Amino acid sequence: NAGVTQTPKFQVLKTGQSMTLQCAQDMNHNSMYWYRQDPGMGLRLIYYSASEGTTDKGEVPNGYNVSRLNKREFSLRLESAAPSQTSVYFCASSDWGQGKETQYFGPGTRLLVL
Amino acid sequence: QKEVEQNSGPLSVPEGAIASLNCTYSDRGSQSFFWYRQYSGKSPELIMSIYSNGDKEDGRFTAQLNKASQYVSLLIRDSQPSDSATYLCAVGTGRRALTFGSGTRLQVQP
Repeated sequence: NAGVTQTPKFQVLKTGQSMTLQCAQDMNHNSMYWYRQDPGMGLRLIYYSASEGTTDKGEVPNGYNVSRLNKREFSLRLESAAPSQTSVYFCASSDWGQGKETQYFGPGTRLLVL
Repeated sequence: QKEVEQNSGPLSVPEGAIASLNCTYSDRGSQSFFWYRQYSGKSPELIMSIYSNGDKEDGRFTAQLNKASQYVSLLIRDSQPSDSATYLCAVGTGRRALTFGSGTRLQVQP
């Protein structure tokens, strides 16, 4: 099992460009998440999908859109990148219910917006 | 007030000592509590989960939960240089997402 995979690993964008970050999991989890991590800020939730067909905003959703393509895949789109979106982006997946909601993280995507 | 608070550190302990990491949370309805370890440039990985008041031990790690005080801690016994990392506290509030603290950086001095 690969667990949670993310592509690309690293990306440089110019202000105003768009891009999609891809995430896939092979653990048959119902829930998937996108976080960003900035120095000293910990992990901040951007969007999550509690189950296939649903998405909800997290703490910092502005400037992002998401698509839960199927149970395995959850993508994050930046329509018009801004320097403030320079960050490390982590995708995670989990089940839910006590004892099951451990989140497993992908390796991350490092994004630099110039 | 942040939902999950941690001292950013760095917490520096000598090799072989006990490292004590602390976390407080604001939502009294929180049901699940997690400690993740994150090495520099890597993704977070789960160390411990705890759901009930009291202590839970796993090898050199002990998680302690006190819901009345809204406090969760992680003790690392016989600390090793390989334990040097950032430790993230995460809390589940029932909305199918975890809230993370900003992390405590631990340095174990050889």
